[in-house]
Amino acid sequence: DSGVTQTPKHLITATGQRVTLRCSPRSGDLSVYWYQQSLDQGLQFLIQYYNGEERAKGNILERFSAQQFPDLHSELNLSSLELGDSALYFCASSVALSGVVGDTQYFGPGTRLTVL
Amino acid sequence: DQQVKQNSPSLSVQEGRISILNCDYTNSMFDYFLWYKKYPAEGPTFLISISSIKDKNEDGRFTVFLNKSAKHLSLHIVPSQPGDSAVYFCAARVRMDSNYQLIWGAGTKLIIKP
Repeated sequence: DSGVTQTPKHLITATGQRVTLRCSPRSGDLSVYWYQQSLDQGLQFLIQYYNGEERAKGNILERFSAQQFPDLHSELNLSSLELGDSALYFCASSVALSGVVGDTQYFGPGTRLTVL
Repeated sequence: DQQVKQNSPSLSVQEGRISILNCDYTNSMFDYFLWYKKYPAEGPTFLISISSIKDKNEDGRFTVFLNKSAKHLSLHIVPSQPGDSAVYFCAARVRMDSNYQLIWGAGTKLIIKP
């Protein structure tokens, strides 16, 4: 158990809909990262928040948005869903910003999104 | 543009033998490389890392080798055990503005045969 929790575990929805994925980081971690893993693809970095502020953006579509709340939990909002958005969405957390060497990213179990 | 490539989608190794997982990269600005391991229905977990100023880092059965001139790193697992069966991701860190970002490979599925 990494200490990072994600809800829900599975989500099935229709094209055009909007969903919200939730992540609670490990106690004490200030950074939250969101990743997307499509079938047979590596992890695509979407966005990072640190202590409530957006710090880095990766390949995140304009239809997607995220935020980190004062209690440090984070939500990823996906709207106008398309079939191609079906994927595993992982949240990770770390203490600080660097992501390596004593600041390891700890991953949650992921949310599997299926868009029909 | 895939900056981090794991060209073998899968690898099958006999229990007790050496497993060698490979990773190639294109960006010479990467300063740290990491390996993560992922079991089904779980998130990836950190395994081992190496700084770009080193050529080897060892942790128990796991050793990572870095060849900067070839832009290639490899993870050696000796001896391989059934519990090592998992997907292994290679990731590289690059500084972007005032922050760092990890660039991930597509993963290699390692199967340890009894």
